Amino acid sequence: SQKIEQNSEALNIQEGKTATLTCNYTNYSPAYLQWYRQDPGRGPVFLLLIRENEKEKRKERLKVTFDTTLKQSLFHITASQPADSATYLCALADQTGANNLFFGTGTRLTVIP
Amino acid sequence: EAGVAQSPRYKIIEKRQSVAFWCNPISGHATLYWYQQILGQGPKLLIQFQNNGVVDDSQLPKDRFSAERLKGVDSTLKIQPAKLEDSAVYLCASSRSGGHNNEQFFGPGTRLTVL
Repeated sequence: SQKIEQNSEALNIQEGKTATLTCNYTNYSPAYLQWYRQDPGRGPVFLLLIRENEKEKRKERLKVTFDTTLKQSLFHITASQPADSATYLCALADQTGANNLFFGTGTRLTVIP
Repeated sequence: EAGVAQSPRYKIIEKRQSVAFWCNPISGHATLYWYQQILGQGPKLLIQFQNNGVVDDSQLPKDRFSAERLKGVDSTLKIQPAKLEDSAVYLCASSRSGGHNNEQFFGPGTRLTVL
């Protein structure tokens, strides 16, 4: 069966450290993978997109890697701040479909001052 | 630019009642999506429209859920009759087109509670 798993439900880290979130998928052939941030009571907000033929993407303090052999994406937030506390969702678009996104269950990140 | 608008923000109904949600996408966005997000889970696509045509409704429970996008702009999602397991946040999203690589913009969602 198809699955998208994010490493843990919750992750607590100290301010200033690097947060690393994991997204593993099974039985998908992603054309690309996206990461979203979701705050309580709000809809997800797009952060980064990485295509199947890209290894790494960066945007300010964010970095995403994509390993199609391991079927895994890693999402890093460097120099984390309390304002980074939120739930982070990975989502992938399968090559066989249109722009339909399949979402993981999310990881709730808390950055402790 | 204005974001995706949804209403109402909250709705509480009894099981077997009907409910409708409204979405106004970002101006000029051809593609509109409805997602269901159950507490503790990621959003699950219910239906995707390209302009006013349905692209994918394979995960829409068609015996009770319906959606339309008249004139290719606003959309409504209806549940009739509602069940307890329909309690969730219903998210509307839009994108410029339906092709790959398109960022989706989400509205704030409608939180539905079925008692």
